[in-house]
Amino acid sequence: ETGVTQSPTHLIKTRGQQVTLRCSSQSGHNTVSWYQQALGQGPQFIFQYYREEENGRGNFPPRFSGLQFPNYSSELNVNALELDDSALYLCASSLGLAGGGQFFGPGTRLTVL
Amino acid sequence: DQQVKQNSPSLSVQEGRISILNCDYTNSMFDYFLWYKKYPAEGPTFLISISSIKDKNEDGRFTVFLNKSAKHLSLHIVPSQPGDSAVYFCAASARGGYQKVTFGTGTKLQVIP
Repeated sequence: ETGVTQSPTHLIKTRGQQVTLRCSSQSGHNTVSWYQQALGQGPQFIFQYYREEENGRGNFPPRFSGLQFPNYSSELNVNALELDDSALYLCASSLGLAGGGQFFGPGTRLTVL
Repeated sequence: DQQVKQNSPSLSVQEGRISILNCDYTNSMFDYFLWYKKYPAEGPTFLISISSIKDKNEDGRFTVFLNKSAKHLSLHIVPSQPGDSAVYFCAASARGGYQKVTFGTGTKLQVIP
């Protein structure tokens, strides 16, 4: 049984660019949630995907968008990058909608210059 | 508006003693509470949870206490071990964990050998 994996590990972009982050959920999990963790803060919920549909969204602008694929892997896309988007982006998978059963990946460290 | 608050950014405890990590919340809709542990370069790992219908949940060395009237929960680690040194996040969710998880800012625990 493989855990949650994320790619890439690190990424450097410049302001205004677009970025795509990827997440493979744990085997058997059909729900993926994305979080942004800024330095010194806790993870903040971006959105959740359940069976390929968005199911809940946090206080993030529309330039943050996502996808979930039939194999339940997921992508997070961020357009028009801003300096404040620099953060660790965490993906978590779970079975069904249970927030308590989430398993997190190691994250992608995004730096926007 | 920080709905989940961890007011102690750091805590140092001697090996073998008790570690007590505190958390306060403001949203009365929260009915499911979780603690996560995070090591550097890894994603958060689920540690223990408690439903609002209970006031205590125990799992080995870890016990979580919930005081609903005070909107306060705490995590007790007894005895503390050097491997427990990590950042601990308190988190909360509504509808029994079936809604988005809101995290606190974390407490860095250092267990001194």
